[in-house]
Amino acid sequence: AQKITQTQPGMFVQEKEAVTLDCTYDTSDQSYGLFWYKQPSSGEMIFLIYQGSYDEQNATEGRYSLNFQKARKSANLVISASQLGDSAMYFCAMRPAGNNRKLIWGLGTSLAVNP
Amino acid sequence: DSGVTQTPKHLITATGQRVTLRCSPRSGDLSVYWYQQSLDQGLQFLIQYYNGEERAKGNILERFSAQQFPDLHSELNLSSLELGDSALYFCASSALAGGQGEQFFGPGTRLTVL
Repeated sequence: AQKITQTQPGMFVQEKEAVTLDCTYDTSDQSYGLFWYKQPSSGEMIFLIYQGSYDEQNATEGRYSLNFQKARKSANLVISASQLGDSAMYFCAMRPAGNNRKLIWGLGTSLAVNP
Repeated sequence: DSGVTQTPKHLITATGQRVTLRCSPRSGDLSVYWYQQSLDQGLQFLIQYYNGEERAKGNILERFSAQQFPDLHSELNLSSLELGDSALYFCASSALAGGQGEQFFGPGTRLTVL
């Protein structure tokens, strides 16, 4: 069965340090996409970064990068130079192969950035 | 701002009642998705519409129904409400053809059933 696992319910990081949020996935598809979303306490879901299964390079978006290890089926999110505003829930999601865009979601990791 | 709008932002109602949540997708997006997020179950996919037609169904209860109209806005109808239906309901949209397939979320409707 296709599944996303986020093993860290909660994480703490000091301001200005880097942090890695773990995500592993399970799929037999050859073509798939991996996403990270951020949900601050205000509730909205914010798209952060995308990695396609055939992308050879790790995706980067500003301070966000995705450490994609295909053989290990992991897609960890790395946030560099953490800011207080990074405190939020972070969700990893996978888009399986096929024409519909139904995402499979992990349960999320709560990140707290300490000053 | 994702470009996806949802109304109302907050809704408080009583058990047994019926409510309608409304969503307008981003300009040009043909797909609309509905999600329910509760504290104990995380983000649950409910249903997807593409250009007016139902495309995929998730964990949607029979008491819930949705539709997408010709102007592409969508409504989620929740009836015979129960206390356990209290949750944050998200609408998201995406362009089905091309792009990365990322879904852009609206701000959500927080439903409280008393």
